[in-house]
Amino acid sequence: DTGVSQDPRHKITKRGQNVTFRCDPISEHNRLYWYRQTLGQGPEFLTYFQNEAQLEKSRLLSDRFSAERPKGSFSTLEIQRTEQGDSAMYLCASSLPRYNEQFFGPGTRLTVL
Amino acid sequence: QKEVEQNSGPLSVPEGAIASLNCTYSDRGSQSFFWYRQYSGKSPELIMFIYSNGDKEDGRFTAQLNKASQYVSLLIRDSQPSDSATYLCAVNQGGKLIFGQGTELSVKP
Repeated sequence: DTGVSQDPRHKITKRGQNVTFRCDPISEHNRLYWYRQTLGQGPEFLTYFQNEAQLEKSRLLSDRFSAERPKGSFSTLEIQRTEQGDSAMYLCASSLPRYNEQFFGPGTRLTVL
Repeated sequence: QKEVEQNSGPLSVPEGAIASLNCTYSDRGSQSFFWYRQYSGKSPELIMFIYSNGDKEDGRFTAQLNKASQYVSLLIRDSQPSDSATYLCAVNQGGKLIFGQGTELSVKP
């Protein structure tokens, strides 16, 4: 399978704990994106990378969220001091820059108790 | 005004009919537009993208773009029950995609 992969697929945590998610993009794609989706809504942009450079971060994104892509391959998204409002599906996508066709991974469903 | 607007539906069509899904966007500078299909509990799946005014066809799917009216649509011909899903319209804004809330489509046998 050469698609985008994400790990874990599900995460249940208690309020106040830190969580980290991993995304492995399609191998030849140099752009990687993180989105968040809640029930009944479209995905909401969080941040994106071109190679290892973080090019944009949503202004709505709390300082508790941080993302890295240290070697321009896989990326991690960390949420510190989780809150119940962080419960959502976290989606990763990758693309080549020309037409920006973004292909999504299966997502990580986060539940904060 | 939302940046990307879609009717949430549900849109119900009989099997074999044409389903028409619509989307409007606010940023006149947007250059490329995407349609995704999302089954319940799954992640979005890219159907097609369009960046030139007019129609673009791919199998049973046709995307239509009218930049003057800031309007994108997706037609699904010969709709099948397996097409029942939420369809998301997305607009490329400086690299990131801005999504509408999606239109739920139900194809009745």
